[in-house]
Amino acid sequence: AIQMTQSPSSLSASVGDRVTITCRASQGIRNDLGWYQQKPGKAPKLLIYAASSLQSGVPSRFSGSGSGTDFTLTISSLQPEDFATYYCLQDYNFGGGTKVEIK
Amino acid sequence: QITLKESGPTLVKPTQTLTLTCTFSGFSLSTSGVGVGWIRQPPGKALEWLALIYWDDDKRYSPSLKSRLTITKDTSKNQVVLTMTNMDPVDTATYYCAHRHRGLTIFGVVSWFDPWGQGTLVTVSS
Repeated sequence: AIQMTQSPSSLSASVGDRVTITCRASQGIRNDLGWYQQKPGKAPKLLIYAASSLQSGVPSRFSGSGSGTDFTLTISSLQPEDFATYYCLQDYNFGGGTKVEIK
Repeated sequence: QITLKESGPTLVKPTQTLTLTCTFSGFSLSTSGVGVGWIRQPPGKALEWLALIYWDDDKRYSPSLKSRLTITKDTSKNQVVLTMTNMDPVDTATYYCAHRHRGLTIFGVVSWFDPWGQGTLVTVSS
């Protein structure tokens, strides 16, 4: 089975910071990767699909890149509502999550 | 607008069988390419995919839980049912169902879950 390794597991950042989260696949997955945001007590919300396609309604400060084994989610300017946990998903394989906290 | 909602018991005893129902609207499970999946999340832990069923009745299961899971669909009722046998306290989690998309890019097939239901917390305790 493909393993998805997400890093870091947590980070502290300030409003306005540029934040980068990475996901590495144990084997090549082309561009079959999505990114999700989850806030406490809520269901995950799709941000990015097909590695770099922005889901409708998601702010443009979110972007995804990568192909093959290495992928990145970038938040260009962190906003107060972005403090949450982020997960990558390849097919049926979730990454371990990255908790973005307020510095 | 696609919506999904999970229903089922909030408390089950160890060794019992859990039956969860996902009732959805805004799409049909008889449409080519469409699927519904189940994902769970133990308190404070990461997401874990459990099972998936497609419009053509193709079924997929998590390898680690395959022996305990069964997923079925009732297209006429717009429902997907997940059963998990031999429940244990470690199965305590919020269980989500989600709509499965499949698309084709120049690199090949891609898939994702969107949207998700609100989730239902299932506690396993005697």
